[in-house]
Amino acid sequence: GQNIDQPTEMTATEGAIVQINCTYQTSGFNGLFWYQQHAGEAPTFLSYNVLDGLEEKGRFSSFLSRSKGYSYLLLKELQMKDSASYLCAVRTPYNQGGKLIFGQGTELSVKP
Amino acid sequence: TAGITQAPTSQILAAGRSMTLRCTQDMRHNAMYWYRQDLGLGLRLIHYSNTAGTTGKGEVPDGYSVSRANTDDFPLTLASAVPSQTSVYFCASSEGLAGGETQYFGPGTRLLVL
Repeated sequence: GQNIDQPTEMTATEGAIVQINCTYQTSGFNGLFWYQQHAGEAPTFLSYNVLDGLEEKGRFSSFLSRSKGYSYLLLKELQMKDSASYLCAVRTPYNQGGKLIFGQGTELSVKP
Repeated sequence: TAGITQAPTSQILAAGRSMTLRCTQDMRHNAMYWYRQDLGLGLRLIHYSNTAGTTGKGEVPDGYSVSRANTDDFPLTLASAVPSQTSVYFCASSEGLAGGETQYFGPGTRLLVL
């Protein structure tokens, strides 16, 4: 079976740091993606992890632990424009079609 | 660069009618995908195509069909729409199926079936 869990909603304050967690149980694994989706818009790519550890990209970092089936997205120095939905997605192996399986997304509200 | 375009932007459709949602990409990507997005359920894969001439079923394929006659176009057809097909539909593409190859999404089509 395939299961990806994220919190439904989070709230944080402008300038603060927020961590959005994602746990997964999938029959195969070939990497984990994080996407950002503003209301009424398409998802846009944020990060990709395939090996354990932390990947840093400016204010955004993503962490992966394959043994724990766990990832998080860390957003620093929050800005109002970071209010959006954050989608965690696991890529299946090539022999399973190389598809993305998405979690339901975490709606982040950044308040002044 | 246009990337991925979808048409129409939105549509109201009477139940029982048919409709084709159009998707075109200009990135020469091999793989293309159709998702639907519903509140509380996230993005769910309807159909996909790993390369021109081939298609496959995703998680929720019933009531939908696709074709991939060439690299650029991947239309999604609802043969006889039902209200449960009310959703936002996103088309996406990626260069291939390798682990790190990102999927890029079109702007979406908002469909209301009455």
